[in-house]
Amino acid sequence: DAEITQSPRHKITETGRQVTLACHQTWNHNNMFWYRQDLGHGLRLIHYSYGVQDTNKGEVSDGYSVSRSNTEDLPLTLESAASSQTSVYFCASSESAENTEAFFGQGTRLTVV
Amino acid sequence: GENVEQHPSTLSVQEGDSAVIKCTYSDSASNYFPWYKQELGKGPQLIIDIRSNVGEKKDQRIAVTLNKTAKHFSLHITETQPEDSAVYFCADGGSQGNLIFGKGTKLSVKP
Repeated sequence: DAEITQSPRHKITETGRQVTLACHQTWNHNNMFWYRQDLGHGLRLIHYSYGVQDTNKGEVSDGYSVSRSNTEDLPLTLESAASSQTSVYFCASSESAENTEAFFGQGTRLTVV
Repeated sequence: GENVEQHPSTLSVQEGDSAVIKCTYSDSASNYFPWYKQELGKGPQLIIDIRSNVGEKKDQRIAVTLNKTAKHFSLHITETQPEDSAVYFCADGGSQGNLIFGKGTKLSVKP
C-alpha cells in the first residue's frame, strides 16, 4: 500500500545545530507540505511544494528550508535549531493543487535543548 | 492572509448526544473545506469534506454544512460514541490549494 513516512519519529537536538527531518511518500503525489503543531496554535504551514524543484514559504517559514529534488521526498531542514522550534512536525502530500485529500505522516516530535 | 477560526476549543458530550463544531474563513475565493480527525499520537486523517457547489454533505453519522455567503461551515456528529473522542480540525483549501487549519477542537465523549 502507498504511504507517507516520516523519520525520525523522535529527536532531541541542541540549540544551534542543523537538523533535517525526512518525509517520503509513495503515492507519486505532486504536492507535499510541512506543518508544525503546537498547543493553542493547531497546524501551521511551514513550507510546501507543488512539484520537483518547486518550493514555497508558508505561514511560519523563518528558520526552515526545504528542497524537492524528486517526487517522493521533501526533507525539512532547521538551519540553526532554536528552542522555539520544539514542536511536532507533520508532513503531508496530495494529488493536485486544489480540492483533494491530504495524507499525513505520523509526525516527528522534535525537542531543542 | 487567509484565516480560519474554529469553535469551541473543547467540547464534552455524553455518549449518544450530538456534537457541533463551527468554523469561519476569510478567503472569499475558497471552495474546498475538509475536516480532519486526529487521534492521540497520530497524524490527522480526513473524515469528510465539502466543496462550494453544495451546501451539505452527509456520511453516516457525520455531516458538514457550508454557508458561503456567511463564510462559515460546520461539522455535525450525531449519536456520538467514545471512539469519536479526538481532536478535530477544520481547514480552508484556499485559492492556492494549501490547507489552512483552524486551531482544533478536542472532543470528549463520555460513556
